[in-house]
Amino acid sequence: DAKTTQPNSMESNEEEPVHLPCNHSTISGTDYIHWYRQLPSQGPEYVIHGLTSNVNNRMASLAIAEDRKSSTLILHRATLRDAAVYYCILRDRITEYGNKLVFGAGTILRVKS
Amino acid sequence: EPEVTQTPSHQVTQMGQEVILRCVPISNHLYFYWYRQILGQKVEFLVSFYNNEISEKSEIFDDQFSVERPDGSNFTLKIRSTKLEDSAMYFCASTEQGRNQPQHFGDGTRLSIL
Repeated sequence: DAKTTQPNSMESNEEEPVHLPCNHSTISGTDYIHWYRQLPSQGPEYVIHGLTSNVNNRMASLAIAEDRKSSTLILHRATLRDAAVYYCILRDRITEYGNKLVFGAGTILRVKS
Repeated sequence: EPEVTQTPSHQVTQMGQEVILRCVPISNHLYFYWYRQILGQKVEFLVSFYNNEISEKSEIFDDQFSVERPDGSNFTLKIRSTKLEDSAMYFCASTEQGRNQPQHFGDGTRLSIL
């Protein structure tokens, strides 16, 4: 599995934007970039995914570098509820049977009020 | 919004006993997964299940583990003879289709082995 590198932790102020970086220099052409997060005492939760173009949904935006070797998850206005561990995960789009998620340590996001 | 439900939320079991963790995936989903997370560690994949058979399993998923979909709604993880090191949070997940669809996770069962 291609690896991702994320900072161990980040801190943000409430109601400010947060940019969570992820490096994936060995990404292959068939890998999607997925982001999940895990709030305290809960299971992981899907946030967003993309292949080449930037993506937006109600939770966040995903900015993907042109060479796809890095990406950034953007929370436009952090709230206290966004304090969680954020995982950047690569998934091969060719695998037929529903490929597993390989979690790293992720980035612990702390949000200050 | 439909969600994955897991029961019980906390299970305490004596070492050597069998334990069954239960999950009800989202109703139209076809792919099912179990993951575990030992306290303070990463979330680890255990097994994936599709079309009534295991499609992939990790090294953790040895002969002591089994999965079953006994009816149209439940998906279970059985540990035959629990060890202290099986203590962890166990998460069930499901996805509508396999390829790159988001996985929806339950809130987990905390398994404590005494």
